[in-house]
Order: sequence, then C-alpha cells, then structure tokens
Amino acid sequence: KQEVTQIPAALSVPEGENLVLNCSFTDSAIYNLQWFRQDPGKGLTSLLLIQSSQREQTSGRLNASLDKSSGRSTLYIAASQPGDSATYLCAVIRGSTLGRLYFGRGTQLTVWP
Amino acid sequence: NAGVTQTPKFRILKIGQSMTLQCTQDMNHNYMYWYRQDPGMGLKLIYYSVGAGITDKGEVPNGYNVSRSTTEDFPLRLELAAPSQTSVYFCASSYSISLGGTEAFFGQGTRLTVV
Repeated sequence: KQEVTQIPAALSVPEGENLVLNCSFTDSAIYNLQWFRQDPGKGLTSLLLIQSSQREQTSGRLNASLDKSSGRSTLYIAASQPGDSATYLCAVIRGSTLGRLYFGRGTQLTVWP
Repeated sequence: NAGVTQTPKFRILKIGQSMTLQCTQDMNHNYMYWYRQDPGMGLKLIYYSVGAGITDKGEVPNGYNVSRSTTEDFPLRLELAAPSQTSVYFCASSYSISLGGTEAFFGQGTRLTVV
C-alpha cells in the first residue's frame, strides 16, 4: 500500500524566505506526482505535475523535484509572499493502480508580512 | 471554462436522511473520483470510475454509492446519513494514462454536516 508523508505539518515564516516542503512515499513504482494548493474552505488547485521520467518541474517561483529511487519529492518556493499562505498537498499515482491519487496530509504554510 | 462543478456547496442532513452530491465535468475526462477530507487528514478515496458504466470502490466506500451513466456526471449517493459522514467531499477528474496524462482537477467541494 502506498503511504505518503509530508513534513513539516505546519510552517510559519516571514515574507521573503525561500522554503522547502517535503513529501515522501513508500512505493517507488509511481507514475507521476502532483503538488496541489488548498486555500481554507476551497478546493484543490493543481500547481505542478511531475511525470515519473522527469526530475523536476518549474512554474514561476515554484520548483518541484522528484527522486523516485529514494521516494522523495520537494516543493521549493522562492521569495515567499503572504499570498502563498495555504495548505500544500502532495499526491502520487502508482503505476499499478491507474488514475488513483494517494495523498499526504499536507503542509500548512503561513507567510507573514 | 467550468472544469469540475459540484453541487451543493453546503448541506446539513439529519441522521438517517439521504442525499445525492452532484458532480459534473466538461473536460471530457474519462476518469472521475470522489474523495472525502476530514480535518487534519489527507484525502481518502471513496469511489472512482474509469469510464461511463464502470465504477469501483476506493479506500472508504461504506455508506456510499455511485453511478456513472455519462462521461460528464458522477453523482455520489448517501443512503442513510450518519455523523461519521460529516466531512468535506471533493470530486475530481482526469484523463487516463493512455490518453496522455493524469493531471487531476478538483471541484470546490461540498461541506456536509450530519446532525
């Protein structure tokens, strides 16, 4: 069974800091990994999708890396802003269960001015 | 550009009542999913469908039913509501791997309280 763990559970930082959010998974036979953002009381917004053959993906100030062999992904947020405050969720799709996402519990990020 | 649409956004049910959570997507995705999210927990898969007429159980299917008569719609039915079903429910959709990608798109959620 695929287990996904996100560390830290919560993070509070001043504006302008560079951040690293961590995601680990127990079964390295994944098809892809997806990072989401969730604002309070809202749905999930897709941030980045990394295919299993890729090592990283970038979108603006966000960079996500994937190391399948060690079962890890990191989401790097550069020059954080108060508007980045949200919960960040990591999810993997296993190669053997097509289409099903397995989620971590998320990292709750607060960026204060 | 609607994406995944869920209705209602909020609902309060009494124990034993039934209701249907609606979900529709306009992206022609073949895969659709229902998840529930409890406070402080990750999302748990309730049911999923890989195409019209095909559904399968996820991790926490007890107390729920689904149907998939069209590509666009994937309603979730609660037959006898229980307090343990108080949660936020999310519907999602994606293409299958064979169709070029599995990026999942989520609706805004339905916040359900059973009293």
